[in-house]
Amino acid sequence: DAGVIQSPRHEVTEMGQEVTLRCKPISGHDYLFWYRQTMMRGLELLIYFNNNVPIDDSGMPEDRFSAKMPNASFSTLKIQPSEPRDSAVYFCASSFKGVGRYEQYFGPGTRLTVT
Amino acid sequence: GQQLNQSPQSMFIQEGEDVSMNCTSSSIFNTWLWYKQDPGEGPVLLIALYKAGELTSNGRLTAQFGITRKDSFLNISASIPSDVGIYFCAGHAYSGAGSYQLTFGKGTKLSVIP
Repeated sequence: DAGVIQSPRHEVTEMGQEVTLRCKPISGHDYLFWYRQTMMRGLELLIYFNNNVPIDDSGMPEDRFSAKMPNASFSTLKIQPSEPRDSAVYFCASSFKGVGRYEQYFGPGTRLTVT
Repeated sequence: GQQLNQSPQSMFIQEGEDVSMNCTSSSIFNTWLWYKQDPGEGPVLLIALYKAGELTSNGRLTAQFGITRKDSFLNISASIPSDVGIYFCAGHAYSGAGSYQLTFGKGTKLSVIP
């Protein structure tokens, strides 16, 4: 079975540019989570969705960040405009509401570098 | 919010040795999870624990859900070079219906000396 798929794996962009990160959750999973990982702050939850609806976006750093989930198999995280402090690894994870519902399965991540 | 204290932050061990690491919280958790992250990859779920006192194994890995529900432990027996990586604990504390957020520890970086 395919796991969580993220693209691109690496993104290098200049300050001020728009960045879009993409995620395809595991088929049948109804929760999707976006995380950011840095050395200083570890893994931080940015936002999560249930059945394509955003449930909690309190972790989104500021208005420059936005996330959408137009359908059950696709989500995007957008940063506009990007800043050097946004450089981090961004992970998408999904889980299934049922037995083992707190078990989140992570994608390989997108390493973002903003110069 | 909840915080998880994971220790040690890093450890160097000889191949073949056993490894122990733990995670503690000031809050009660109803689920504990252990993940491993290899360089350049996402965290991979190793073990999930759902009951206080529960002891679960996955190959050479054994994890326990502390009876106080405020801690969890991970042991690795007879370490091998491929055990190298960062191990994260994560917990879920009930905070209302529909809450599925996890709290993550800062990780334990394991290095194995051949």
